[in-house]
Amino acid sequence: DAGVTQSPTHLIKTRGQQVTLRCSPKSGHDTVSWYQQALGQGPQFIFQYYEEEERQRGNFPDRFSGHQFPNYSSELNVNALLLGDSALYLCASSLWRGPRWGPIQYFGAGTRLSVL
Amino acid sequence: AQKITQTQPGMFVQEKEAVTLDCTYDTSDQSYGLFWYKQPSSGEMIFLIYQGSYDEQNATEGRYSLNFQKARKSANLVISASQLGDSAMYFCAMILNSGGSNYKLTFGKGTLLTVNP
Repeated sequence: DAGVTQSPTHLIKTRGQQVTLRCSPKSGHDTVSWYQQALGQGPQFIFQYYEEEERQRGNFPDRFSGHQFPNYSSELNVNALLLGDSALYLCASSLWRGPRWGPIQYFGAGTRLSVL
Repeated sequence: AQKITQTQPGMFVQEKEAVTLDCTYDTSDQSYGLFWYKQPSSGEMIFLIYQGSYDEQNATEGRYSLNFQKARKSANLVISASQLGDSAMYFCAMILNSGGSNYKLTFGKGTLLTVNP
């Protein structure tokens, strides 16, 4: 049973460029969330996709956008890259467990983005 | 808004001993979930254990147990019989079980655990 897979593992870009990160959820999961983890910090929630729509969003600018495909895989796009966008980008997939409990999110190994 | 506080930047423990990692949280919501994740140097966040705010018993998963004290708003992780492979960063996280935000995990800053042989 494959877990959450992300590609690429590492990426180097320059300021002003655009980047696309990809995520395939764990088998049987239909929801994907994206997080940004700066060095030495805990992950910060970017947004969550379900049924090909953005359902929840954290405090990130519109330069951060995403997409979910019919097979539940997802992309994170970042436009006009800034030096401060350098971070580990984590994708998490989840399975709904019922209204009283939030879903358990399972993470991939992340994409490490460096902006020069 | 919810907040997670982990006051121990680093902890050391001898192999085969038990260790407690501290976590306190702040929310005015009555329905929430608390998580612990392990992050080795490879970067992947590994789910360890979950505690719901309505659960009356402390959660346990193998060598991991969560000491949930609701009145004190604490959710400490206890690792029994530490192993060298337990050396990693550990994050406490929370979600609110409301429909609008129940996928947004809020993380603490983490505790770096080092297990000594």
